[in-house]
Amino acid sequence: DTGVSQNPRHKITKRGQNVTFRCDPISEHNRLYWYRQTLGQGPEFLTYFQNEAQLEKSRLLSDRFSAERPKGSFSTLEIQRTEQGDSAMYLCASDFLGGNSPLHFGNGTRLTVT
Amino acid sequence: GENVEQHPSTLSVQEGDSAVIKCTYSDSASNYFPWYKQELGKGPQLIIDIRSNVGEKKDQRIAVTLNKTAKHFSLHITETQPEDSAVYFCAVSREAYQLIWGAGTKLIIKP
Repeated sequence: DTGVSQNPRHKITKRGQNVTFRCDPISEHNRLYWYRQTLGQGPEFLTYFQNEAQLEKSRLLSDRFSAERPKGSFSTLEIQRTEQGDSAMYLCASDFLGGNSPLHFGNGTRLTVT
Repeated sequence: GENVEQHPSTLSVQEGDSAVIKCTYSDSASNYFPWYKQELGKGPQLIIDIRSNVGEKKDQRIAVTLNKTAKHFSLHITETQPEDSAVYFCAVSREAYQLIWGAGTKLIIKP
């Protein structure tokens, strides 16, 4: 399967701890996105990369959140000093700029902050 | 900014019947309208999309219609099957990262 892959699938952490999630996009895709989804809602855009450059960040992305895509392939999303309000599904998606390529999502990482 | 409203929030239909979900949007410059299906514990999966130069698109049992004048578009599923049960999201954008999502419709197929 060559879809978008996210790890881990689930993460339980205590408030105040740092967590890091990984996303491996579809290999030929040059754009990568992070979204957050809470129960009963649609995905909320957090940030996106074109190759290794982070081009857009939502105002939802507090300074405790940082994302990287160092070589233009996989990406990591780190949340520092987690809060209970960070509990959500974190979704990664990818597409290809210029080819009318639709957005493909991974199955997400579900974060629970206790 | 863009605002997307999706109705109904829950839809229950008998297996074999048709289901219709409707979304309205506010930004007349929006030009891309995808529909996603999300099953429990999974990410959204694109099922069909339409661009503003097309009024209707069909893929087997699934179709999308777009009315740009009225600023609404609809998802039609015919001959519904149990595996169609899921949450369906519409979205609207001019660029992929600018997707604005509806609140979702939980579709229940009754056997």
